[in-house]
Amino acid sequence: QKEVEQNSGPLSVPEGAIASLNCTYSDRGSQSFFWYRQYSGKSPELIMSIYSNGDKEDGRFTAQLNKASQYVSLLIRDSQPSDSATYLCAVLGFSNTGNQFYFGTGTSLTVIP
Amino acid sequence: DVKVTQSSRYLVKRTGEKVFLECVQDMDHENMFWYRQDPGLGLRLIYFSYDVKMKEKGDIPEGYSVSREKKERFSLILESASTNQTSMYLCATGQGTTNYGYTFGSGTRLTVV
Repeated sequence: QKEVEQNSGPLSVPEGAIASLNCTYSDRGSQSFFWYRQYSGKSPELIMSIYSNGDKEDGRFTAQLNKASQYVSLLIRDSQPSDSATYLCAVLGFSNTGNQFYFGTGTSLTVIP
Repeated sequence: DVKVTQSSRYLVKRTGEKVFLECVQDMDHENMFWYRQDPGLGLRLIYFSYDVKMKEKGDIPEGYSVSREKKERFSLILESASTNQTSMYLCATGQGTTNYGYTFGSGTRLTVV
């Protein structure tokens, strides 16, 4: 069973601060990693993908990947109340039936005005 | 943008009823997935399909079946609904390699009474 672990939180940060969300995964062969944001009562939406070691920046979001440590993180700079949501880490894994994503249980983030 | 449409946003069904959840996508995505999402348990894969008339069991297929007669439509069937199937059901689609992540439908919140 491929596992994706996230701290469930809740994580609270003040407005304008940096929020740091972390994820570890068990399948060393995984190559593709994604972050989804899910507002309460809504479905997940893809916000970041990362495939190579290092950092990938998109606006206020930075994804960081360290394959040797099997660790992926999401940094949100200048956090806004609208960033309050649950963030899901997803890892693309390979099974004998094909590719599929393995999701963490999510980290709940609250940005305090 | 890919649109993934789930036929119902909210459903209330009685124990023992046969329930159909429909998912339709308007892009030519090969892969379609059904998940259920419960607090503390995250997203759990029920069934998936990589092609028409093809289906594979996910992690929790018991009590469910699926149908994919056309590429754009993937149906989840609860053969005899039970109260422990009360959940948020999410359909997702992806391209062949799924390297671009999934797109989720808006979800169906099913309550079985």
